[in-house]
Amino acid sequence: GAGVSQSPSNKVTEKGKDVELRCDPISGHTALYWYRQSLGQGLEFLIYFQGNSAPDKSGLPSDRFSAERTGGSVSTLTIQRTQQEDSAVYLCASSLEGWGTDTQYFGPGTRLTVL
Amino acid sequence: QKEVEQDPGPLSVPEGAIVSLNCTYSNSAFQYFMWYRQYSRKGPELLMYTYSSGNKEDGRFTAQVDKSSKYISLFIRDSQPSDSATYLCAMRNTGGFKTIFGAGTRLFVKA
Repeated sequence: GAGVSQSPSNKVTEKGKDVELRCDPISGHTALYWYRQSLGQGLEFLIYFQGNSAPDKSGLPSDRFSAERTGGSVSTLTIQRTQQEDSAVYLCASSLEGWGTDTQYFGPGTRLTVL
Repeated sequence: QKEVEQDPGPLSVPEGAIVSLNCTYSNSAFQYFMWYRQYSRKGPELLMYTYSSGNKEDGRFTAQVDKSSKYISLFIRDSQPSDSATYLCAMRNTGGFKTIFGAGTRLFVKA
């Protein structure tokens, strides 16, 4: 079946512009995660959605970052007034239930470059 | 101090070598330990997992967990050029959702 998809694959923007990154999880997966991957920094947790529960936003680095998940499926990560330090690969993952020994399946990521 | 420490490398080995990749961690509540492999311009993919302490073998790959030392390892036998990738350790308290990842070790296997 189809895996996790993300769009766009690459995004170049100017400092101060807003960007929207999209994630289509695996059908039937109730949990969805956003991570940020910077060179040599590993995966930094940003936000977690599980079913209809309120999302865990504890990893969002500033109020310029927000995310929503519509209808329990597609998710959009929005970065307002982008800064050069926002340049990174943004990865989305989904899993069946989101806890225990659940496996996370990752998308290919969106490579964001802020000039 | 990071919860999970992993040497970013790069690690370069000749084809056929045994590769040892390691992580240390500080949170004794972690129970579920994973290794992900990430090829260039791709998302991470789960390679192996172990629950609590002990060893697990899958083909050329062996994962070890030593909870007393808070140390996990991934061994790759008879390494191949196709094993060239970044390997990320990850761990979780199974009562929660949050997975903590290491920085990843870049591995190059030369033919």
